[in-house]
Amino acid sequence: QQQVKQSPQSLIVQKGGISIINCAYENTAFDYFPWYQQFPGKGPALLIAIRPDVSEKKEGRFTISFNKSAKQFSLHIMDSQPGDSATYFCAASRYSSASKIIFGSGTRLSIRP
Amino acid sequence: EAEVAQSPRYKITEKSQAVAFWCDPISGHATLYWYRQILGQGPELLVQFQDESVVDDSQLPKDRFSAERLKGVDSTLKIQPAELGDSAMYLCASSRGAPNEQFFGPGTRLTVL
Repeated sequence: QQQVKQSPQSLIVQKGGISIINCAYENTAFDYFPWYQQFPGKGPALLIAIRPDVSEKKEGRFTISFNKSAKQFSLHIMDSQPGDSATYFCAASRYSSASKIIFGSGTRLSIRP
Repeated sequence: EAEVAQSPRYKITEKSQAVAFWCDPISGHATLYWYRQILGQGPELLVQFQDESVVDDSQLPKDRFSAERLKGVDSTLKIQPAELGDSAMYLCASSRGAPNEQFFGPGTRLTVL
């Protein structure tokens, strides 16, 4: 019930291409779905987040698509750049109360120049 | 821009020794979290504080780990004695509570020999 499943484990995309990472959750009590970006040796940085009242959120080249009925959400990185090479974690939590974040297992993204 | 501070950034110790990590959250953030991240995995919560009180320590190995946040500001996580399996990145995060946007520090990389 607490798990967040993430795929793929690793992804290689050509520069300028679209990177897509998928996640699924089980607990319908979750109402906050952040994505974190982590570079080697650094802490995770909040990238973008969505709540279930919308099906899509876009910030620059990053877009979250959300399917509440399927309990799935995905991150799309448009015009992928070498600087986007990092590990990406999807996550789920409660929005209006202080509670732990449940993280997916991570996707190591490599953008080839 | 306000950040979560952690020290030390790296710690190498021998098994059975004691180690301590320090975290200073973003000013005004009442909620503080300690997560452990094993290489290649997502972070997992060890302990959550609301001000100076522990809210969730269900995943904290209490026989060897302890955490405190005496004045409700900075926090210390201690391991005694350290074991080989404790080698990981220890991350501190903070949030206002609601909304539950958590911001992570750079982490402490612990290596137990």
